[in-house]
Amino acid sequence: NAGVTQTPKFRILKIGQSMTLQCTQDMNHNYMYWYRQDPGMGLKLIYYSVGAGITDKGEVPNGYNVSRSTTEDFPLRLELAAPSQTSVYFCASSLSLDTGNTIYFGEGSWLTVV
Amino acid sequence: AQSVTQLDSHVSVSEGTPVLLRCNYSSSYSPSLFWYVQHPNKGLQLLLKYTSAATLVKGINGFEAEFKKSETSFHLTKPSAHMSDAAEYFCVVSNQAGTALIFGKGTTLSVSS
Repeated sequence: NAGVTQTPKFRILKIGQSMTLQCTQDMNHNYMYWYRQDPGMGLKLIYYSVGAGITDKGEVPNGYNVSRSTTEDFPLRLELAAPSQTSVYFCASSLSLDTGNTIYFGEGSWLTVV
Repeated sequence: AQSVTQLDSHVSVSEGTPVLLRCNYSSSYSPSLFWYVQHPNKGLQLLLKYTSAATLVKGINGFEAEFKKSETSFHLTKPSAHMSDAAEYFCVVSNQAGTALIFGKGTTLSVSS
């Protein structure tokens, strides 16, 4: 049962570098999400997608981009890394949120920008 | 706008004593409500969810939560804490469009022997 798989698990970036966090799910879920988690702040929604070809901004989208070319994959791109993007990133997926369908989370990606 | 407030940032209990983690929500609609748990350096696991059915919701590992509309609360309880319950707990509400979840800031539960 793979579920939601994120890579890499750990990464150190230099300021100004770019990188892509990969996320794939094998549950045929329509909805996918990227959250970031900072200490004492809970999780903040960066971007979400309700299906292939459809993405929308969440609460904290600045400095990030996403694409959803397939149902399975939802990569998150950081174009010019900044120290403020040091965080733990979680990808998640669900069928939908209607009737409270469960959201499944990946195990997280720890990113440090120095 | 919808929001969720976890009233305690840190709760400490002794093993075998009851656990109460408090959560209030603000919403102009009938939301779906969830509790998630996160163990150190791990992902998030769903404990339980409320979706307008029974107001008392039972979850995994002996946890339960009661939805009280009049108090806009969704407190998480467990009769007897275990050492393995030590973790971060998040109260979560769905947004009105049903497209995303909104997280509280979390409550750290410590369990001492």
